[in-house]
Amino acid sequence: AQTVTQSQPEMSVQEAETVTLSCTYDTSESDYYLFWYKQPPSRQMILVIRQEAYKQQNATENRFSVNFQKAAKSFSLKISDSQLGDAAMYFCAYRSYSGSRLTFGEGTQLTVNP
Amino acid sequence: DSGVTQTPKHLITATGQRVTLRCSPRSGDLSVYWYQQSLDQGLQFLIQYYNGEERAKGNILERFSAQQFPDLHSELNLSSLELGDSALYFCASSVAPGQAQETQYFGPGTRLLVL
Repeated sequence: AQTVTQSQPEMSVQEAETVTLSCTYDTSESDYYLFWYKQPPSRQMILVIRQEAYKQQNATENRFSVNFQKAAKSFSLKISDSQLGDAAMYFCAYRSYSGSRLTFGEGTQLTVNP
Repeated sequence: DSGVTQTPKHLITATGQRVTLRCSPRSGDLSVYWYQQSLDQGLQFLIQYYNGEERAKGNILERFSAQQFPDLHSELNLSSLELGDSALYFCASSVAPGQAQETQYFGPGTRLLVL
């Protein structure tokens, strides 16, 4: 079974600075998908970014980018120019190539200080 | 707004009772997923339906059941409720499962409190 681990329960960053959230996963599969979801205080789950394991290029979405290290089974999220609205719980998630269920990590609570 | 709707938003009930949570997927989405978010278990997958048929099962208790109707809305039934069932229940939908570009869009959740 796949597992996802987020070793940082809490992180904080100053507004306009850059922060990196860590995620590692365990799988025996070679093809899969990885995601970062954001959960603000409203509790809504919002997709931030996705990465296909077969793509070597790291995904980017505006101020959000990932560092995908397949051999190390690492998938970190970098948030540049942090904004107050980025404050939320961030979840790393895994989906197998042929499956659909998402396996989530424990989450990292990000605080953005003004 | 993801386009996925869930009702009710909040539900308070007593132990031993039965409740039904409802989910309407985004227009055009055929697949519905249910997830449970609790303090001790985190976010975990419960069950998936695709076009009315059960597709995959996760850590869903036998006291829980779900179905997807011909109009593609889904209901999650929780019975013989226990204090530990208190959680946030999410519904998510996607166009079709297992495809490369499949993205799951989450509803706002139903917060269940069992007293």
